[in-house]
Amino acid sequence: IAGITQAPTSQILAAGRRMTLRCTQDMRHNAMYWYRQDLGLGLRLIHYSNTAGTTGKGEVPDGYSVSRANTDDFPLTLASAVPSQTSVYFCASSTGTEAFFGQGTRLTVV
Amino acid sequence: GQNIDQPTEMTATEGAIVQINCTYQTSGFNGLFWYQQHAGEAPTFLSYNVLDGLEEKGRFSSFLSRSKGYSYLLLKELQMKDSASYLCAVNDYKLSFGAGTTVTVRA
Repeated sequence: IAGITQAPTSQILAAGRRMTLRCTQDMRHNAMYWYRQDLGLGLRLIHYSNTAGTTGKGEVPDGYSVSRANTDDFPLTLASAVPSQTSVYFCASSTGTEAFFGQGTRLTVV
Repeated sequence: GQNIDQPTEMTATEGAIVQINCTYQTSGFNGLFWYQQHAGEAPTFLSYNVLDGLEEKGRFSSFLSRSKGYSYLLLKELQMKDSASYLCAVNDYKLSFGAGTTVTVRA
């Protein structure tokens, strides 16, 4: 497949559980991003990585962690989910002049 | 940090022109993007500006003034399918988005 893939598409998660959202791209893009999107708040940056082996905090990093062991994969982990983390999560990768988004993961924490 | 502002909502008539403004204050600048997002879908790329001036792509044009921290997206010959959210994003070595502008096209 060419492009960027997220898994799962949707998930209902009990509060307090650990969850990893997966993101894989096969375009060899150096930069990758995780966003959450809530109604009226647009896309808010959680974490980013400009190249394999490096990560940085975005606007709303608390409660989330990421790793970038290789160019293709950029998983997002919720160590102990809380209801306020209910959102749609988008992963993106970028060449610098264009950014491509995954199809999103709809996460509900109950 | 970033401060990226755009209007919340705009309404226009089919066939008309709409201009969506975006102002930004960022610690660095490595380009400005515009995205379109239909409800329930992922954002799709519309345009990228890194130098001052106008970039035209069919019915969509995007303008950038780096000295003013200002961009606009111009949508011409509006169609019903253009009803969507339009997102302004600035790359200052991480890609940050404004809250988006919801455009409603009326018949």
